[in-house]
Amino acid sequence: QSALTQPASVSGSPGQSITVSCTGTSSDVGAYIYVSWYQQHPGKAPKLMIYDVSNRPSGVSNRFSGSKSGNTASLTISGLQAEDEADYYCSSYTSSNTLVFGGGTKLTVL
Amino acid sequence: EVQLLESGGGLVQPGGSLRLSCAASGFTFSDYGMSWVRQAPGKGLEWVSGISGSGGRTYNADSVKGRFTISRDNSKNTLYLQMNSLRAEDTAVYFCTNGRFAFDPWGQGTLVTVSS
Repeated sequence: QSALTQPASVSGSPGQSITVSCTGTSSDVGAYIYVSWYQQHPGKAPKLMIYDVSNRPSGVSNRFSGSKSGNTASLTISGLQAEDEADYYCSSYTSSNTLVFGGGTKLTVL
Repeated sequence: EVQLLESGGGLVQPGGSLRLSCAASGFTFSDYGMSWVRQAPGKGLEWVSGISGSGGRTYNADSVKGRFTISRDNSKNTLYLQMNSLRAEDTAVYFCTNGRFAFDPWGQGTLVTVSS
């Protein structure tokens, strides 16, 4: 199972919005609602930010939103803040009953 | 408060074995599927294995199939990962996490180093 494709890096200024893409296939992202997004700060465990394409867990800021179109999912962060600087990973359930992650995207807040 | 605490990591020679444990608290353990996810040094996340709440169904990544076995003891609220025939490329921090399709929360991780 190949990793989902994410851009290696994205950047934005405080207050701006950014979008991270996550491209898979018709056997994973395109086939299921089980697409999630994780935030990971250096040296820390990942934190769930979005599940089932567009749902936010309790306690996650509404500045984070998710969507999907075809085989590509997207994470949008609005009103960028310094603390949003981190690595972001997408994941998807697959037709092989496995999970696959994206390669990760480093977000830099300028 | 939900807590997951991994243990059992360490240095092991290629071809060796190691068993990781994850002690869970703060939730009804048997109600939830659980998973192991690893992260090699400086690399991204890789899903390793998953198990249903009852333990009756298990799932593994191709990279560990036939070498790693996930299991659980619901009477002890503990998740396990038995790792055999370890290779250098298995070197990683191994995270225990709650869930089968989305993972929340995560433990702090335990480092496994495979080296001679």
